[in-house]
Amino acid sequence: DQQVKQNSPSLSVQEGRISILNCDYTNSMFDYFLWYKKYPAEGPTFLISISSIKDKNEDGRFTVFLNKSAKHLSLHIVPSQPGDSAVYFCAASASGGYNKLIFGAGTRLAVHP
Amino acid sequence: DSGVTQTPKHLITATGQRVTLRCSPRSGDLSVYWYQQSLDQGLQFLIHYYNGEERAKGNILERFSAQQFPDLHSELNLSSLELGDSALYFCASRGSGANTGELFFGEGSRLTVL
Repeated sequence: DQQVKQNSPSLSVQEGRISILNCDYTNSMFDYFLWYKKYPAEGPTFLISISSIKDKNEDGRFTVFLNKSAKHLSLHIVPSQPGDSAVYFCAASASGGYNKLIFGAGTRLAVHP
Repeated sequence: DSGVTQTPKHLITATGQRVTLRCSPRSGDLSVYWYQQSLDQGLQFLIHYYNGEERAKGNILERFSAQQFPDLHSELNLSSLELGDSALYFCASRGSGANTGELFFGEGSRLTVL
């Protein structure tokens, strides 16, 4: 039972362009969503989050959009930089974020010059 | 540096053996989570401890067990190891502040079962 799905295993984007990573969820109890970035041989690091009471949250080059009716969220990176090349995990939790995080399988982003 | 420390970083062992993975959370964090990442897969939640008490269990095998000690460090014990247990095991801790659901992850322990 995969409650959080990232259907694109990989994405390739040119430097300077927009990267859009997508995530779908099935559990309507989820009310807090996060994106993590992971480089090889390192642990995942927190990138940005959004509560279900919002539909957008922005932090510098990173913006997360939440569409509750579609149970879909996306991460936009503008402009994309080579250093953004990593695996991006979408995660969700219920009850305001204090419960366990459920992760998607990840999307490997490659930003090329 | 997340502040979460995991040891060992790498471990190679044989089927049927038992190993212990150790995690020290960030200073002051009471919650410890354990996750398993098998090859090219997402992070699978195993177990959550809060201040020494088990709070939630995920898809953790009966051969696996964990505990959190009074000093808040945690250990994940894996026994009767099988080839399929080869994976990255991550520990994460969470702050007790009201405004964050963010987890801070360690660098992981890579277990190889031969």
